[in-house]
Amino acid sequence: RKEVEQDPGPFNVPEGATVAFNCTYSNSASQSFFWYRQDCRKEPKLLMSVYSSGNEDGRFTAQLNRASQYISLLIRDSKLSDSATYLCVVRILTGGGNKLTFGTGTQLKVEL
Amino acid sequence: DGGITQSPKYLFRKEGQNVTLSCEQNLNHDAMYWYRQDPGQGLRLIYYSQIVNDFQKGDIAEGYSVSREKKESFPLTVTSAQKNPTAFYLCASRGEINEQFFGPGTRLTVL
Repeated sequence: RKEVEQDPGPFNVPEGATVAFNCTYSNSASQSFFWYRQDCRKEPKLLMSVYSSGNEDGRFTAQLNRASQYISLLIRDSKLSDSATYLCVVRILTGGGNKLTFGTGTQLKVEL
Repeated sequence: DGGITQSPKYLFRKEGQNVTLSCEQNLNHDAMYWYRQDPGQGLRLIYYSQIVNDFQKGDIAEGYSVSREKKESFPLTVTSAQKNPTAFYLCASRGEINEQFFGPGTRLTVL
């Protein structure tokens, strides 16, 4: 089983739609959670951290369910510019220090 | 402007050659990381360094080497022992909430 699993997509949605991504993680000792956005042939960029209480940043809402070991990202009123791959990232504290484990990403395509 | 720079952006290497990828940051971060990304795969950790003059192997360290002589710099050498070096290489440094900030990456192609 992969440490972090995501549906690879692609999710093809019309502009203005609401879209949700889920991600599951296998290590119950995971401590921090993030969503990153990666545009084609570019580096990943931090979109938002994910907190147990849930958090919102404009059109983006992230939630964490520790009991079921999944995190989610909701994008409302999607824009053409939201088209990208969204990476689910989990931090585990190991003997050698902090380690981030990346999912393979979910591809989003927003269309007119 | 604070950030992470990587050079070169594109690198072509003949089989049997060692090449060194540069990574510099002016964010004053202690920890730095090297990843490779292959099509359809997540980022995989090659090496990381928590502090100057110290570094640890990641999940796929074979065929790679690093040094950390200065806080700002964390170069990666891809040696001829790396069997499949063609990939997108990403350098990152760790921020205050354990998030990582990435450089723009180097695309290495072995001819």
